[in-house]
Amino acid sequence: AQKVTQAQTEISVVEKEDVTLDCVYETRDTTYYLFWYKQPPSGELVFLIRRNSFDEQNEISGRYSWNFQKSTSSFNFTITASQVVDSAVYFCALKGGGYQKVTFGTGTKLQVIP
Amino acid sequence: EAQVTQNPRYLITVTGKKLTVTCSQNMNHEYMSWYRQDPGLGLRQIYYSMNVEVTDKGDVPEGYKVSRKEKRNFPLILESPSPNQTSLYFCASSLVGGLNQPQHFGDGTRLSIL
Repeated sequence: AQKVTQAQTEISVVEKEDVTLDCVYETRDTTYYLFWYKQPPSGELVFLIRRNSFDEQNEISGRYSWNFQKSTSSFNFTITASQVVDSAVYFCALKGGGYQKVTFGTGTKLQVIP
Repeated sequence: EAQVTQNPRYLITVTGKKLTVTCSQNMNHEYMSWYRQDPGLGLRQIYYSMNVEVTDKGDVPEGYKVSRKEKRNFPLILESPSPNQTSLYFCASSLVGGLNQPQHFGDGTRLSIL
């Protein structure tokens, strides 16, 4: 069975601070896919990034960056210079390579205080 | 506009009264899925479908049925709803190729079973 753990339930930061959201996963598959989604207060789910298990290259997109480490089964998400608009619930998700099941973490609620 | 459309957006009903939540996508996606979102539990997959007439259980299928008679539609059926099915439901779709395609989500359906 696959599992995704987001141990941080809620995080509060002051605007312009950096913040890292942790994601730890478990899977027996050698090929798998990891995702991050954002759910702002309006409720929709917005795709942020995907990563394949065979590509450990980290990625940066503007103020967002992702650190994928297979050795620790982690796929952490960092927001640099946070802004109020970053306030949302962030979900990490895992899709196994041999299956079409998708497992989400329980989410981390980020509050950015002006 | 590419989108996943769920109906209704909100529904209050009573225990035992059969209901159907419709989901339609206009992106010609093979993969469709239903999730429920509950506080502290994140999103949990109910059912998914790889293509027409191909469906499989997710992590929490009990009490739900689905069908995939057409590629664009994937209705969620609650034959005899119970209060523990009160939740926020999301439908999602994606391409299958590469197994790493991000999912596009509908806006959600909030169900209250009294």
